[in-house]
Amino acid sequence: QQQVKQSPQSLIVQKGGIPIINCAYENTAFDYFPWYQQFPGKGPALLIAIRPDVSEKKEGRFTISFNKSAKQFSLHIMDSQPGDSATYFCAASVSSGTYKYIFGTGTRLKVLA
Amino acid sequence: DGGITQSPKYLFRKEGQNVTLSCEQNLNHDAMYWYRQDPGQGLRLIYYSQIVNDFQKGDIAEGYSVSREKKESFPLTVTSAQKNPTAFYLCASSIPRGRARTGELFFGEGSRLTVL
Repeated sequence: QQQVKQSPQSLIVQKGGIPIINCAYENTAFDYFPWYQQFPGKGPALLIAIRPDVSEKKEGRFTISFNKSAKQFSLHIMDSQPGDSATYFCAASVSSGTYKYIFGTGTRLKVLA
Repeated sequence: DGGITQSPKYLFRKEGQNVTLSCEQNLNHDAMYWYRQDPGQGLRLIYYSQIVNDFQKGDIAEGYSVSREKKESFPLTVTSAQKNPTAFYLCASSIPRGRARTGELFFGEGSRLTVL
């Protein structure tokens, strides 16, 4: 119940394409869903996050879609660029209690020039 | 510049040796974390600390130990009891989540440990 399942494991798109990364969770107590971006040899950095009271959030070319009833959320990257090539992690946390985050297994994205 | 500093960036260890990874933050964050990253397994929580002199086991604490004597520092010791220690280790910090705070995790650049 504590897992966050992420797919696909890897993804290759052409420049300008719209890669979509999906995550699913079981624990309905989760109330914060961030996405982290990690470049090779670096630590992850927060990209965008959403709370379950909204169905979509956009920040620049990055959009999170959230489906509370299906317990799923996804990251869309509009007009993808080679510089977006990185590993993306979804995560989930509960606001009360511990400070723990549960991370997905990651998606390695490559955007071809 | 505020941030998290991990050292060393690369570390090699012989089997049976303990090693300590350093993590220092100047963000004035209360909470600090250690994660282990393996290919295809995402980030798994080893230990976390919400305040000085207190810490809790994460999901994969066996074979690891930590201390939190200062707010700024959260070193991780990989002991000889850890059966498969070769991995990329990430330290992170955060402020507590609240009405206007997300509890965002700030990560260091990681330490890659290789057991020979």
